[in-house]
Amino acid sequence: KAGVTQTPRYLIKTRGQQVTLSCSPISGHRSVSWYQQTPGQGLQFLFEYFSETQRNKGNFPGRFSGRQFSNSRSEMNVSTLELGDSALYLCASSLWPYNEQFFGPGTRLTVL
Amino acid sequence: QKEVEQDPGPLSVPEGAIVSLNCTYSNSAFQYFMWYRQYSRKGPELLMYTYSSGNKEDGRFTAQVDKSSKYISLFIRDSQPSDSATYLCAMNPYTNAGKSTFGDGTTLTVKP
Repeated sequence: KAGVTQTPRYLIKTRGQQVTLSCSPISGHRSVSWYQQTPGQGLQFLFEYFSETQRNKGNFPGRFSGRQFSNSRSEMNVSTLELGDSALYLCASSLWPYNEQFFGPGTRLTVL
Repeated sequence: QKEVEQDPGPLSVPEGAIVSLNCTYSNSAFQYFMWYRQYSRKGPELLMYTYSSGNKEDGRFTAQVDKSSKYISLFIRDSQPSDSATYLCAMNPYTNAGKSTFGDGTTLTVKP
């Protein structure tokens, strides 16, 4: 069974631009969560989607948004990029919200 | 104070040693406990998942949970150079199981 896939793997953007990241969960998994990983803050929860509905949201500004499609694929968007948004963005999927999460390889975003 | 505190490391051990990695937590609502291994520039890989106090063994890995003390551990027996990575503990509450809170990670180096 294929794992979680994330595209693109690497991105370089400039301040003020916006970016969209994509995540395809493991086949059959319906819950998708997004995390931001930085050296200073570690892994921080962004949001979680289940059956196209956002169930949870972390403490990030409104510039960070996401959505989930009927096939469970998910996207997250960051508008008006700031230097501090440079990070590894990780997507994790699980069968149901109460099951273990499996991570994708991440998208490394660099904001210049 | 962080909800999850992880022994910071780094740890350096000789091949074949027993490794102990530890986390404490303050939120009594945490019910699910996970250990992930993360190699440099990769996504976290799920090693162990448990939701009850006691020990769970999988090959060379043993996860231990003590809910009364709010303490979890991961033991690695017969450590190998390929175990060199950053280990992350993670946990989440039953009501928000898709929202994991992570420790900051412990970097382990196993020397041949």
